[in-house]
Amino acid sequence: GNSVTQMEGPVTLSEEAFLTINCTYTATGYPSLFWYVQYPGEGLQLLLKATKADDKGSNKGFEATYRKETTSFHLEKGSVQVSDSAVYFCALSDRDDKIIFGKGTRLHILP
Amino acid sequence: DAGITQSPRYKITETGRQVTLMCHQTWSHSYMFWYRQDLGHGLRLIYYSAAADITDKGEVSDGYVVSRSKTENFPLTLESATRSQTSVYFCASSGAGDTEAFFGQGTRLTVV
Repeated sequence: GNSVTQMEGPVTLSEEAFLTINCTYTATGYPSLFWYVQYPGEGLQLLLKATKADDKGSNKGFEATYRKETTSFHLEKGSVQVSDSAVYFCALSDRDDKIIFGKGTRLHILP
Repeated sequence: DAGITQSPRYKITETGRQVTLMCHQTWSHSYMFWYRQDLGHGLRLIYYSAAADITDKGEVSDGYVVSRSKTENFPLTLESATRSQTSVYFCASSGAGDTEAFFGQGTRLTVV
């Protein structure tokens, strides 16, 4: 079945460091891909998305590129801030319009 | 208020009891979803619905029942609660499969 695999956390970085959170997927057809973020005590909110191969999603300094050849959608940010501390989820929307999530990666940014 | 709301926010129930978690959205979104969030498992899909009166099982549907008689409501019922169903439950809605899903604040359910 369709699935999403993302790197295990927690990830701890210093402020202004470069961030990469890896995400790969397994799916039939051409799913839409998403990154969601969850701040403590809250529900998930969309961070960025890409709906076709080679699309780049971006928001708040975060970027991810839909790579069909490597079935990947890695999240990157050039300079993280303490306020980026949260749990990040990679997700896909399959042909049945189910949204499937990875297990999440907890990110800690130290000042 | 506009948005998606879940109730209750917190619930403690006993093993074997039936409990219903409510979800209401004001956007008339076609799609609605129920997930459970557990440490080490991320979000797992319980049920989803593409429209009123259309529901489908997700990855972990055993022990749960849903209904969708109206577009805006998608209640989740635990028919006979078990301790393994202790979790945080999230409801979400979206206008279409490849668009943004909006999440509720979650319901923390404890089964004792």
